[in-house]
Amino acid sequence: GENVEQHPSTLSVQEGDSAVIKCTYSDSASNYFPWYKQELGKGPQLIIDIRSNVGEKKDQRIAVTLNKTAKHFSLHITETQPEDSAVYFCAATYNFNKFYFGSGTKLNVKP
Amino acid sequence: NAGVTQTPKFRILKIGQSMTLQCTQDMNHNYMYWYRQDPGMGLKLIYYSVGAGITDKGEVPNGYNVSRSTTEDFPLRLELAAPSQTSVYFCASSRGQGGDTQYFGPGTRLTVL
Repeated sequence: GENVEQHPSTLSVQEGDSAVIKCTYSDSASNYFPWYKQELGKGPQLIIDIRSNVGEKKDQRIAVTLNKTAKHFSLHITETQPEDSAVYFCAATYNFNKFYFGSGTKLNVKP
Repeated sequence: NAGVTQTPKFRILKIGQSMTLQCTQDMNHNYMYWYRQDPGMGLKLIYYSVGAGITDKGEVPNGYNVSRSTTEDFPLRLELAAPSQTSVYFCASSRGQGGDTQYFGPGTRLTVL
């Protein structure tokens, strides 16, 4: 099956700086890549996603890039704010039956 | 819409006991999923369902059973609970293939002692 690796496991940035989280996947058939934000005590919530026919997608301060050849995708958060502090997960799927998740990145934004 | 709801929020079981985790969605989604999240780890898929009456195994199905008699409900059954099943369990739903992503419930924190 698919294997998704996520780095770094923890990331600490100063408020206003940018944060980048990277994921690699193993199955070239994967074609949908969502990113989730999980706040303490809550379920994951989708923040942005990208399909394999697109190289980049942006939504305000959040962007995702996809390199299909290298089989990796990244989450970029600009102008970070304290409320961005949370655990972020990447995931991959090729048929929407099974989603494979990365191990998570704990982002800490220092005011 | 309430989205995806899960009950109970917390539960402590003794080794060998059984229980059912309840999950209900009101978005008329075809696909439903059960995940477990161990401390500091990502989510692992236990079972999923692509519609009423259809279920299939995920990555870590051992020790669990599911049923899907209606579109709305997808209960997860633990038989003979073991300490290794101590985890946070999340239910999710989605429209399915070609559709949008998953919407998660708030989770059930289960401890087996």
